[in-house]
Amino acid sequence: AQTVTQSQPEMSVQEAETVTLSCTYDTSESDYYLFWYKQPPSRQMILVIRQEAYKQQNATENRFSVNFQKAAKSFSLKISDSQLGDAAMYFCAYRSALFTGANSKLTFGKGITLSVRP
Amino acid sequence: EAQVTQNPRYLITVTGKKLTVTCSQNMNHEYMSWYRQDPGLGLRQIYYSMNVEVTDKGDVPEGYKVSRKEKRNFPLILESPSPNQTSLYFCASCPWDPGANVLTFGAGSRLTVL
Repeated sequence: AQTVTQSQPEMSVQEAETVTLSCTYDTSESDYYLFWYKQPPSRQMILVIRQEAYKQQNATENRFSVNFQKAAKSFSLKISDSQLGDAAMYFCAYRSALFTGANSKLTFGKGITLSVRP
Repeated sequence: EAQVTQNPRYLITVTGKKLTVTCSQNMNHEYMSWYRQDPGLGLRQIYYSMNVEVTDKGDVPEGYKVSRKEKRNFPLILESPSPNQTSLYFCASCPWDPGANVLTFGAGSRLTVL
């Protein structure tokens, strides 16, 4: 079974600075997807970024980028030029590329609470 | 607007009183799923449905039922709620397309069982 580990429960960053959120995962599959979701105080789950395991290039979305290290099974999220609106809980998640039956589920980490200091 | 709608958003109930959390999506998605979120545990899948009349258990199905009679609706039923089902619940959906099955989540339903 796949597992996702987010070992840091909380992090803090100064506004306009850069912060990196860590995530490691364990799987025996070779093809899969990795995600970062943001959950602001409104509780809405918002997709931040998605990485396909067969793509070596790290995904980027504006101020958000990932460092995907497939051999190390590491998937960290870097937030550049942090803004007050980035304050939220962030979840790392894994999903098999097969998307059949039990493989269709997202396996989530425990989440990390990010605070942004003005 | 493309969305997943859950109701109720907040509910306080008592042990044993049957309740249903409704979920509806307007995107014609084949796949729908329910998750619960608990502090320190992240989100865990309760049930999922690959298409109409096709449902299956996720990781934490005990105490829950679902049905998928129509493509757009996927209600979560708690026949006899217990305090350990106090949680934040999310419904989600996505299309049956290997390159595009990114889940769209509902806004969440906060359930308290006394």
